[in-house]
Amino acid sequence: GQNIDQPTEMTATEGAIVQINCTYQTSGFNGLFWYQQHAGEAPTFLSYNVLDGLEEKGRFSSFLSRSKGYSYLLLKELQMKDSASYLCAVRNDYKLSFGAGTTVTVRA
Amino acid sequence: DAGITQSPRYKITETGRQVTLMCHQTWSHSYMFWYRQDLGHGLRLIYYSAAADITDKGEVPDGYVVSRSKTENFPLTLESATRSQTSVYFCASSEVRTDTQYFGPGTRLTVL
Repeated sequence: GQNIDQPTEMTATEGAIVQINCTYQTSGFNGLFWYQQHAGEAPTFLSYNVLDGLEEKGRFSSFLSRSKGYSYLLLKELQMKDSASYLCAVRNDYKLSFGAGTTVTVRA
Repeated sequence: DAGITQSPRYKITETGRQVTLMCHQTWSHSYMFWYRQDLGHGLRLIYYSAAADITDKGEVPDGYVVSRSKTENFPLTLESATRSQTSVYFCASSEVRTDTQYFGPGTRLTVL
């Protein structure tokens, strides 16, 4: 079976840093995706980790530890437009299994 | 560059009616997917297709039918809609089996 856990909600202040954790227990693992989804819109790709370690893309970074079944998405220098849901998804071959998502609210 | 589109964007129907949701992509991606998104469940895979005329079930296929006669289109049919099928439906595509999946804008379906 697939079990992917993320916090339901997080709140942070504009300009701050927020870390969204994702833990997983899955029957197979070929990589981990992070997607961003604004309310009423489609998920959009943010990052993909296959190997252990940190991947940095501008203000966003993603970390993976396969031995611990753990990933996090780090959002730096938060902006109001970063208010959205962040979805963690584990890839097993072509199939993606998603967590329920973490809603991040950025306050001024 | 239209990418991936879905129609209709909103649909209200009644229990027992047949409904077809359309998905069209202009990238010539081989793989296409249908997901539903419900509060508290995240995105769940309904069906996927590896190529024209090749489809297979995902996690929650009951009550749904798919077809793929052309690479660019992947319609999803609810043969007899039920209230439990009220959801937001997303279509996605990827170029190859293990590539990033790109999502369409979604169809919000309400079954009364």
